[in-house]
Amino acid sequence: EVVMTQSPATLSVSPGERATLSCRASQSVNSNLAWYQQKPGQAPRLLIYGASTRATGFPARFSGSGSGTEFTLTISSLQSEDFAVYYCQQYNNWPPYTFGQGTKLEIK
Amino acid sequence: QLQLQESGPGLVKPSETLSLTCTVSGGSISSSSYYWGWIRQPPGKGLEWIGNIYYSGRTYYNPSLKSRVTISVDTSKNQFSLKLTSVTAADTAVYYCARTSLNWNDVDWGQGTLVTVSS
Repeated sequence: EVVMTQSPATLSVSPGERATLSCRASQSVNSNLAWYQQKPGQAPRLLIYGASTRATGFPARFSGSGSGTEFTLTISSLQSEDFAVYYCQQYNNWPPYTFGQGTKLEIK
Repeated sequence: QLQLQESGPGLVKPSETLSLTCTVSGGSISSSSYYWGWIRQPPGKGLEWIGNIYYSGRTYYNPSLKSRVTISVDTSKNQFSLKLTSVTAADTAVYYCARTSLNWNDVDWGQGTLVTVSS
């Protein structure tokens, strides 16, 4: 099973600033990496797939990068609606698909 | 527009079987372009993939749950279902059904349903 590790667990950032979230895989997952955004009381929403392709409905301030075992989600200028929990997930070596434990992005 | 709706008991007793159904509207469960699956999230915790089913009936399960899980599909009702046997308090979670494209460029989730395991 591929173990996904996200850091940090909590990230405090001021609106308008840049946020950088990390995700590491225990073995290569190539570019088969997705990011999700989850707000309280809601289902997760696909944000990035293929490590770097934005899903429908998300603005260009969200970007993903990386391949192999190291991945990054960057939000260039945080808006109030971006504060949420973000999960990475690999879909390269499955079953099982595996998720990271999440990074909570909170307002500083 | 695709909609996924979970349904089933919100309370299950320990050692019994958890049964949930996902009703699909706005799309066909017989499509060869998607997997249909279940994911759960214990309160305040992260996400765990339970398993998928393909329109052909082929199933894929999380090895950690495989001995207790069955996912099935009813094409006549455009539904798919989850059964999890011998539940314990550790199975208390919000259970989501989801549709996933084969290349993972499209993922749709249900709103989720909380299932509590308690006597």
